[in-house]
Formats: sequence, C-alpha cells, structure tokens
Amino acid sequence: GAVVSQHPSWVICKSGTSVKIECRSLDFQATTMFWYRQFPKQSLMLMATSNEGSKATYEQGVEKDKFLINHASLTLSTLTVTSAHPEDSSFYICSAREGTGLGRSTDTQYFGPGTRLTVL
Amino acid sequence: RKEVEQDPGPFNVPEGATVAFNCTYSNSASQSFFWYRQDCRKEPKLLMSVYSSGNEDGRFTAQLNRASQYISLLIRDSKLSDSATYLCVVNMMGYDYKLSFGAGTTVTVRA
Repeated sequence: GAVVSQHPSWVICKSGTSVKIECRSLDFQATTMFWYRQFPKQSLMLMATSNEGSKATYEQGVEKDKFLINHASLTLSTLTVTSAHPEDSSFYICSAREGTGLGRSTDTQYFGPGTRLTVL
Repeated sequence: RKEVEQDPGPFNVPEGATVAFNCTYSNSASQSFFWYRQDCRKEPKLLMSVYSSGNEDGRFTAQLNRASQYISLLIRDSKLSDSATYLCVVNMMGYDYKLSFGAGTTVTVRA
C-alpha cells in the first residue's frame, strides 16, 4: 500500500528555536499533502493544505508565518515551526493524497507516522 | 456545532462481544465517509470507507444514513487487538479533499 514517512518521529527543543518536519510519499506522487496537529485526547485538526509548487492554504486560526510549509516536489513537503514555544508541543501528522496512478481512490489520504514535538 | 461528533466512550466490552457506535456530521453536502483507527500515540490508519449501501469488511460493518446524517460502525466477535480509538472522518467538500475528524470513540476489549 501507499507509504508516507515523516522525519523526525520525535523532537525535543528549547523555546525559541525552529523545528523542521519532513513528510515524504515513498511510492506515489502526492499532488496534495495535508498537515494536522493533534493535542492529547482531541481530534486531528487540519492546519494547512499544501499543493506541489504553490503556496499552502492555511486553516482559520493557523499562523502562516509561524508554521511555514514548503511543498517543493511531488514527494516532499516540509513544515517548519518557527520560534517554537511550549504551547506548540503537539503531535504533528502529515497526510498525502495520491494524484495519479495505481488506481486507488483519489480522495483516500495516507498518513505519516507523526512527529511528536516537545518544546521546553 | 462540531462538523463531526462522536460518542467518546469508552466502550469496554469482553472478547467476542459485538460493539457498535455512531457518529453524526453537520454538513449535508459531505461527499465521502471513512472510519479510521488510531492506536495510542500513533497515526490514524484507514479501516474502511463507508458507502451509501452499507459495506462489510470481515468483522466490521459500516452504514451510512444520509437522511439522518450519521455513520455507524459495528464490530462483531471483538478481539483484544480491536482495542483502539475509532475516528469518524468526513470529506466535507469533495473538490479539495479536506477531511474533518471526529474526536474518536475509544473501544477497549478485555479478555
């Protein structure tokens, strides 16, 4: 099946530093990637939608200057949490939607394993 | 009102039991419906898509009621490995594939 990887799987950083999270589709081309955030015992909340080669579309309430998204190729999107603070500590999950090929449903999203960010 | 609402549970059931739960969605224009499974501190994994005619995958049966805007999941002959949080997921607008997640229903199967 379709595989999406994320790196790193966990990160601990000091307040004020920036953290970059990578999301890769390993066996398919992802025309669209999504970034979610999940706090404990809460549902996944969509942060932004990222289309290859264009600017990301952010959900209401998500600061685009704080959460920088780059989708430079059909297999890679990155999320950079700039000047991270303790309240940014969360589980960040990406997903990818397959655009072409392999015949699977095009509105199925495949999730990465997530990145657990802890900001001290 | 939340876009997707679920009974959080937990549903504690013995092995072999049947457990069922629903979720409701608010947007009548929703296009696609899914059940995902999420284990503790892991990413969601697609369990099954939900079709209007209802569909079954082994011990799992999903139903969609568009008129009442709810989706159900039934698990028969529960196994210990079925213990997880089940997320109801709705594609709110078909053209941009954005998914809305319920907060999840926790199921614990005990020996």
